[in-house]
Amino acid sequence: DAKTTQPPSMDCAEGRAANLPCNHSTISGNEYVYWYRQIHSQGPQYIIHGLKNNETNEMASLIITEDRKSSTLILPHATLRDTAVHYCIVRVERAGNNRKLIWGLGTSLAVNP
Amino acid sequence: SAVISQKPSRDICQRGTSLTIQCQVDSQVTMMFWYRQQPGQSLTLIATANQGSEATYESGFVIDKFPISRPNLTFSTLTVSNMSPEDSSIYLCSVDRGLEAFFGQGTRLTVV
Repeated sequence: DAKTTQPPSMDCAEGRAANLPCNHSTISGNEYVYWYRQIHSQGPQYIIHGLKNNETNEMASLIITEDRKSSTLILPHATLRDTAVHYCIVRVERAGNNRKLIWGLGTSLAVNP
Repeated sequence: SAVISQKPSRDICQRGTSLTIQCQVDSQVTMMFWYRQQPGQSLTLIATANQGSEATYESGFVIDKFPISRPNLTFSTLTVSNMSPEDSSIYLCSVDRGLEAFFGQGTRLTVV
């Protein structure tokens, strides 16, 4: 299974962009990259996902390198509510239309006022 | 989106006992997923539960320890059996809606 590597923690000033890196050098061609965040004591919340192309939604942008071995989650204007553990995940498709999410250890992002 | 309700939200249990966690989804889904999150750790998939068939367990997890029921397309239970302090974790239920996974708020279990 592909695995992800993330820095354990990062700081960011409120209102500035937060760039969270992730390495997934063993990812296979049909495996998606997902990002979720988890605020303390809550269930994980979906942020964004992508396969090959860069993606953007109302929450964030996802930049995937051409070789797909790494990606960066960009929170364009970090707010205090972005203080959370951000997980980079690889989605592995399995037989029987099943799938498995392989979770990294996450980056604890602290957004400072 | 999907609305997932888990019960109980937290519990403190004596070692050697069992706890059954319930997961209710607001619409029918084929697969339901159960995760464990140990203190300070990431999420680990325990098993995948399909309605009408045996759950599929991941390496390191066995049915005797974590029996799962899936009586219909909106409900599942996970039982943590013969608990020890090492079972103290957050247990999460998850479903897919398209390519997005949704999670319940989790059950925080403390075994004393």
